[in-house]
Amino acid sequence: QSVLTQPPSVSAAPGQKVTISCSGSSSNIGNNYVSWYQQLPGTAPKLLIYDNSMRPSGIPDRFSGSKSGTSATLGITGLQTGDEADYYCGTWDSSLSAVIFGGGTKLTVL
Amino acid sequence: EVQLVDSGGGLVQAGGSLRLSCAASGFTFASHWMSYVRQAPGKGLEWVANIKQDGTETYYVASVKGRFTISRDNAKNSLCLQMSSLRAEDTAVYYCARVKGIAVTGAIDYWGQGTLVTVSS
Repeated sequence: QSVLTQPPSVSAAPGQKVTISCSGSSSNIGNNYVSWYQQLPGTAPKLLIYDNSMRPSGIPDRFSGSKSGTSATLGITGLQTGDEADYYCGTWDSSLSAVIFGGGTKLTVL
Repeated sequence: EVQLVDSGGGLVQAGGSLRLSCAASGFTFASHWMSYVRQAPGKGLEWVANIKQDGTETYYVASVKGRFTISRDNAKNSLCLQMSSLRAEDTAVYYCARVKGIAVTGAIDYWGQGTLVTVSS
């Protein structure tokens, strides 16, 4: 049972938009920055979003992040089959003094 | 180019020990917090440990406290995870990772390729 709650799976058609939610508490999302990671099958995770909504160099603007209160959301527009992957949210938990991740969301592009 | 190369994984019996290493290059290693993150087969990501730039501060997930030790050698640009009293539930791919920025709360912006640790019971 992860401290951060994500839906196990989401799906959408190519070209469409999808959102992935990440719910936490005041000790983590509520008072710390959220990051998002993409893990393609058989590969190491890759940073998609940091500091709630910032994209690292090279990440297309089809990927966006937002935070409100104790929840965060990853948005992906113009879905491509290459976006099929597991997506994880992550943040620092000030009460645990630990990095925490959501359980992960599997994106299927139908 | 930032590179993190994981090594040291393998098969070990329950109760045994293993030492993982990570060779870093392409950035100023001594300027970053560093992490280990693991992923059990078919499961999600689990953070294991963080170490401060100068090695004076460390954090661990509760399940490994007292059994695992993270350390670094800034002169050699290397990170290590000493694992002892290993359990079957420690079986996972272990990733060396870099924390973005200078704070422990930063995102993880670079990951190694991972090294598989299998603990047989």
